[in-house]
Amino acid sequence: GNSVTQMEGPVTLSEEAFLTINCTYTATGYPSLFWYVQYPGEGLQLLLKATKADDKGSNKGFEATYRKETTSFHLEKGSVQVSDSAVYFCALSPGGYQKVTFGTGTKLQVIP
Amino acid sequence: SAVISQKPSRDICQRGTSLTIQCQVDSQVTMMFWYRQQPGQSLTLIATANQGSEATYESGFVIDKFPISRPNLTFSTLTVSNMSPEDSSIYLCSVEDIGGSDTQYFGPGTRLTVL
Repeated sequence: GNSVTQMEGPVTLSEEAFLTINCTYTATGYPSLFWYVQYPGEGLQLLLKATKADDKGSNKGFEATYRKETTSFHLEKGSVQVSDSAVYFCALSPGGYQKVTFGTGTKLQVIP
Repeated sequence: SAVISQKPSRDICQRGTSLTIQCQVDSQVTMMFWYRQQPGQSLTLIATANQGSEATYESGFVIDKFPISRPNLTFSTLTVSNMSPEDSSIYLCSVEDIGGSDTQYFGPGTRLTVL
């Protein structure tokens, strides 16, 4: 079956530091890959996505590249802000209204 | 993307009672999904709801405990029945993007505490 593995958290960074959250996946076929963000007390928001190999998803300064050769979709941001403090979920979808598989989530705390 | 609302946003319930959670979407969608997020955990799919047919439940979830209705293409309800403290979670509904982009969009969630 499909699976998503994320780096363990929590991750604590100082403001303006570089962020990487690792995500690797196992899937048959060619899934779409996603990063969702959950701010404290809120639901999940789509942060970015990529639908095929070598696609780069980007939003709000965050980026992730779909690497089929390494089955990875690492999330990066060059300079984090306190407002980026949240839980980040990596996910994959096989498409066709099939079940989305989520990683365990990585909590990010950014301190001033 | 679809705009999704849920009611109630949070509730505190007594053991043995039931709570019905509503999910409303601002556009017609084929499939709606119900997830549970236990404290500090990731999301677990409870069931998939297709309009006009019985919901499809994931392993470990049964209709008697989590009955779902899907009366039309913009609305669904999830009932958490005979609640126990172990049911304390965030319950989220989601829809898949129209046009088959594989993207799921989520409602704000219902935070349930069972005493």
